[in-house]
Order: sequence, then C-alpha cells, then structure tokens
Amino acid sequence: IAGITQAPTSQILAAGRRMTLRCTQDMRHNAMYWYRQDLGLGLRLIHYSNTAGTTGKGEVPDGYSVSRANTDDFPLTLASAVPSQTSVYFCASSDGGDANSEQFFGPGTRLTVL
Amino acid sequence: GQNIDQPTEMTATEGAIVQINCTYQTSGFNGLFWYQQHAGEAPTFLSYNVLDGLEEKGRFSSFLSRSKGYSYLLLKELQMKDSASYLCAVMDSNYQLIWGAGTKLIIKP
Repeated sequence: IAGITQAPTSQILAAGRRMTLRCTQDMRHNAMYWYRQDLGLGLRLIHYSNTAGTTGKGEVPDGYSVSRANTDDFPLTLASAVPSQTSVYFCASSDGGDANSEQFFGPGTRLTVL
Repeated sequence: GQNIDQPTEMTATEGAIVQINCTYQTSGFNGLFWYQQHAGEAPTFLSYNVLDGLEEKGRFSSFLSRSKGYSYLLLKELQMKDSASYLCAVMDSNYQLIWGAGTKLIIKP
C-alpha cells in the first residue's frame, strides 16, 4: 500500500441499508478526514480525527459515524442510507502538526443510494 | 458564515497564461491552499500561502492578499494536461479546511 486506499470504489445501495466505507493510510499521519463532494458544491467535511482514539464532527455529520481505533484506519458508516447521501466520498490524511500540512486524498468512493 | 468564491468555469488556449481568482470570508485564517482535481480523480496539492505575496513553483504561481481576502492561481505555458478543476481552500481558526466549489479549466488547442 502506498498512500491512502478506499473501498469500495463504487457502490449502489438501497435506502435504509447500512454501509461502511473503508479508508486506510500507510503514511503514519495523525489526522484523517472524510469529505463528500457533490456537483456544484465544494468538498464538505463530514467527520475528522486529529489522532487515534479521537474523532470530531465536521460541517455535515448527520447520518454518518466514524471510529479511529488505530492510526491507519478511519471507517465511515452510514447507519441507514438515504438518497441525499448519494455522493462521492473522499478520505484524506495529513500530518496535522502544522497549519501548512497538506492533505493527501484517497481515490474516492462513488456511492449511489436508491 | 464562511464563504469561498471562485469562477465556475474558465477557458484558455494551450501555451497561454490563465489566472484563477478566489475570494474568501472565513472565521479566522491559517493559510490558503490550491488543489488540482482531474475529472474522476482525487484532489492533489498544488500550493500553500499564509503570508502576503507570490509563491512560485514551476509553471504555477499562487498569490495571497490577506487584507483583501483574495488569492489567485496563475498557470503559465498551459498544456492540455492542465485541463482540470482547481480548488481553493482556506484553513479556518479551527484548522479545518473550507473549500470553494472549484473552477473547471478547459484548455483548447
């Protein structure tokens, strides 16, 4: 593994189903993030984690949950998917130590909720 | 509220120069980032500005004026591979990135 991986690449999901998007990084970065990207809108932060064992809510956290049991993994769970959660989801990580820490992004998961 | 504005779409000619503007209003300021995103791919880091002035990196330069809440990304000697969306993002007082919607740059031969 080099960088950040996400799984699945894409998924079609029935409304009401539970879904976990996986994210793994091998850069030993402290901070990790989940964003959603919708047409015509900027990336919006869902949840973040500044270090293993801690998580925080971003701009659009409702309907999503995260956990950070270790440094490498940061899964995002949709407890009961709704059509408005149709989006492209990006996981990102950064050193987090300085304001100028760039964020590295995974390849994204394209999720469609029907 | 927090707001990042950038043009939705721009068109330029191969070999030319293009300037993509970004204006922002955020709660606090800890730096401004530019990212490039090709269609269907993840964003990748281009530049970071925290002090006023111009930062040059090869064909790409980024400018910041904190007093005006303004930045621009300057792309020189445009190549077809520069066709992409360019995302402006500001790090706010909570060290979270606030993102603009992106500018889609179309390069014509």
